Amino acid sequence: GAVVSQHPSRVICKSGTSVKIECRSLDFQATTMFWYRQFPKQSLMLMATSNEGSKATYEQGVEKDKFLINHASLTLSTLTVTSAHPEDSSFYICSARPRGPGANVLTFGAGSRLTVL
Amino acid sequence: AQSVTQLGSHVSVSEGALVLLRCNYSSSVPPYLFWYVQYPNQGLQLLLKYTTGATLVKGINGFEAEFKKSETSFHLTKPSAHMSDAAEYFCAVTHEGGKLIFGQGTELSVKP
Repeated sequence: GAVVSQHPSRVICKSGTSVKIECRSLDFQATTMFWYRQFPKQSLMLMATSNEGSKATYEQGVEKDKFLINHASLTLSTLTVTSAHPEDSSFYICSARPRGPGANVLTFGAGSRLTVL
Repeated sequence: AQSVTQLGSHVSVSEGALVLLRCNYSSSVPPYLFWYVQYPNQGLQLLLKYTTGATLVKGINGFEAEFKKSETSFHLTKPSAHMSDAAEYFCAVTHEGGKLIFGQGTELSVKP
């Protein structure tokens, strides 16, 4: 079945540094990838939608300069948290929409837990 | 716009008892509905989905859900709970080419 790999699974960084999280579709091409953020005991909040080769579409209230999204190929999207601060600590989850049959079923990565000291 | 409401942030059942997790949706277009499960510090796993066709859908691990348009509901059930079912469950809605919108989640606890 469709598999999405997310890396790193855990990252700890100092305040002010930037962190990059990768999301790869391993056995299918993803026309669209989505990035979600999840706070403890809460639901997933959509941050942005990225389409291969075009700029990401950010949800209201999400700072595009803080959360840089690149979708350079049909199998890779990256989220870079720039100048991270403790309030950016969260669980970030990506998902991918395949092209063709099954396009309405997203496959999720295992998530990346970011802790900013 | 689409939205999802999950009734009950926490549900507790005894092992072997019926599991019922409630989900109601709002959508101005034909919805696609999903149930996902999340174990601690992990991503989401698809349990089942409704897109078109049969309104009673069966998923993995013995779960099933029924799409009831008249009630705008998509409740998740399992006849007999197992300890391994303890997790967070999310109902989600989308439409053709749309974004996936999640409900608030329901934490299921299973007592021995």
